[in-house]
Amino acid sequence: NAGVMQNPRHLVRRRGQEARLRCSPMKGHSHVYWYRQLPEEGLKFMVYLQKENIIDESGMPKERFSAEFPKEGPSILRIQQVVRGDSAAYFCASSPPGGNQPQHFGDGTRLSIL
Amino acid sequence: SQQGEEDPQALSIQEGENATMNCSYKTSINNLQWYRQNSGRGLVHLILIRSNEREKHSGRLRVTLDTSKKSSSLLITASRAADTASYFCATGDQGGSEKLVFGKGTKLTVNP
Repeated sequence: NAGVMQNPRHLVRRRGQEARLRCSPMKGHSHVYWYRQLPEEGLKFMVYLQKENIIDESGMPKERFSAEFPKEGPSILRIQQVVRGDSAAYFCASSPPGGNQPQHFGDGTRLSIL
Repeated sequence: SQQGEEDPQALSIQEGENATMNCSYKTSINNLQWYRQNSGRGLVHLILIRSNEREKHSGRLRVTLDTSKKSSSLLITASRAADTASYFCATGDQGGSEKLVFGKGTKLTVNP
């Protein structure tokens, strides 16, 4: 019974490059969330998606960041033209349909910008 | 904006002692969840307590929720060295989105 799978675990990019982070939710989960964590901080919500729909993107920076959760395949968080400030751990979580459900997290992708 | 605020920020105890962590929040909530995070790892879900519940147990964990005071507590009884981790509370608000708002966490150290 696989949990939330994120890859890669570590990603190194140079300034100006693109970063793509992938997340496969738990089986039976149709809701996906992305969070960002800076060192010694709690997680900050970025975006909440259901299949083919963005439900809440209130935590996404206005530029360079985008997310999708296609009908087939994993959810993707895409960061274009990365800058040093994008260095962080990015966590994906998933939950089953219906409200008020626990969210289950992956082990995260640690993004480092050189 | 910060919703959950854990207290204390850091806690160091001896194995076998109980550990209590508190969380305060600001807005109306649907539920409050507690998570554990070991260094360099993802978050592990511990307990979800709904706004109409007052207390919940899971093994050595006990969570209380006081919606009138907008606060929750997590009690770990008979602590073990393996309980060493950061503990976060997260609130799911009533705004319609399922997003969670996290506090900065309590770093718990259990000394053998």
